[in-house]
Amino acid sequence: NAGVTQTPKFQVLKTGQSMTLQCAQDMNHNSMYWYRQDPGMGLRLIYYSASEGTTDKGEVPNGYNVSRLNKREFSLRLESAAPSQTSVYFCASSVKRYVDTQYFGPGTRLTVL
Amino acid sequence: KQEVTQIPAALSVPEGENLVLNCSFTDSAIYNLQWFRQDPGKGLTSLLLIQSSQREQTSGRLNASLDKSSGRSTLYIAASQPGDSATYLCAVNNNAGNMLTFGGGTRLMVKP
Repeated sequence: NAGVTQTPKFQVLKTGQSMTLQCAQDMNHNSMYWYRQDPGMGLRLIYYSASEGTTDKGEVPNGYNVSRLNKREFSLRLESAAPSQTSVYFCASSVKRYVDTQYFGPGTRLTVL
Repeated sequence: KQEVTQIPAALSVPEGENLVLNCSFTDSAIYNLQWFRQDPGKGLTSLLLIQSSQREQTSGRLNASLDKSSGRSTLYIAASQPGDSATYLCAVNNNAGNMLTFGGGTRLMVKP
């Protein structure tokens, strides 16, 4: 099992460019999440998908969109990148939303110039 | 709004010492609490999950306790080793169930 995988590992964008961060899990988990981690702010939830076909906003959704493509894949899109979106992005998954351990991917380090 | 605080922010100890990391949260209406480990430049690894009905969980040299009424959890690491050096994060899953709220972490250095 690869667990949770993320691509790319690193990315540099210019302000206004768009990109999609990809996440996939092979654990047959129902719920998937996108977080960002910033110094001094800790980890904050951007969006989550409780199950295939559903998505909901987290704490900091502005400037992002998500797609739950199927049970395995959950992508995060930045339509018009801003320097404030420079961060490390983590995808996570769990069997169910409420009571289970969340498993994290290795992260994508994004810099917006 | 749930707030999670971890004290101390950084800790340096000699190898072999037993140590305690602290986590406090403001809203006691939680489903569960998780402790994670994060190595530099890496993702998070789940260490222990305590359900709201439980008082403690153990895994090897790690023991986590939960006092929901007082809004506190501790992570006890026995006989620390240099390989334990990492940042330790606690996170609570609120009763609304829609997000984990993370603390700022404790950066642990275990010196040989």
